[in-house]
Amino acid sequence: DGGITQSPKYLFRKEGQNVTLSCEQNLNHDAMYWYRQDPGQGLRLIYYSQIVNDFQKGDIAEGYSVSREKKESFPLTVTSAQKNPTAFYLCASSLTGRSPLHFGNGTRLTVT
Amino acid sequence: AQSVSQHNHHVILSEAASLELGCNYSYGGTVNLFWYVQYPGQHLQLLLKYFSGDPLVKGIKGFEAEFIKSKFSFNLRKPSVQWSDTAEYFCAVNTNYGGSQGNLIFGKGTKLSVKP
Repeated sequence: DGGITQSPKYLFRKEGQNVTLSCEQNLNHDAMYWYRQDPGQGLRLIYYSQIVNDFQKGDIAEGYSVSREKKESFPLTVTSAQKNPTAFYLCASSLTGRSPLHFGNGTRLTVT
Repeated sequence: AQSVSQHNHHVILSEAASLELGCNYSYGGTVNLFWYVQYPGQHLQLLLKYFSGDPLVKGIKGFEAEFIKSKFSFNLRKPSVQWSDTAEYFCAVNTNYGGSQGNLIFGKGTKLSVKP
């Protein structure tokens, strides 16, 4: 089955630690995205990548970093600089920059 | 800055009632418009989209939306809801016509609860 796999589903970390969230897609999509979903806030774009080895900051990139070394993979690192890291993180991909998004099931990160 | 407003945070309806969820955006140029749905425990999925042409767009599961350019609106409708329509609905607008979807802006979502 083609789709987007985010792992793990739940992640717990201590404050001050960096943590990396995995996102893999086998849809052969060029574009990949990371969103953060908070209750009552909708989805806010963290980073996106239109092509391998290239990515751009979204609206709330501070405290996050990404890499796009392979077409199918777009990992997100939540650094200790992110002030409110506890959230639900969604990865998405699209065939082109204008195509509808396909979403993964999300990773719920809790930092204490 | 561009924004997307969804008027209702939580809507509660009985089965067979009609549904209309409001969505307005603030951008004067060309837009692509989307409605996404998130059923309980499932991932977000596309409900319908508008790129150009007929402003009345039909989506999956009997949903439709009408793009009214003069009102900057893209309201979602369904004549008769079912219990299985219980979900959270997100309106989204891409303001970079022809370009990157990195400019896709989401509304804050509307939770729909349908009572059996």
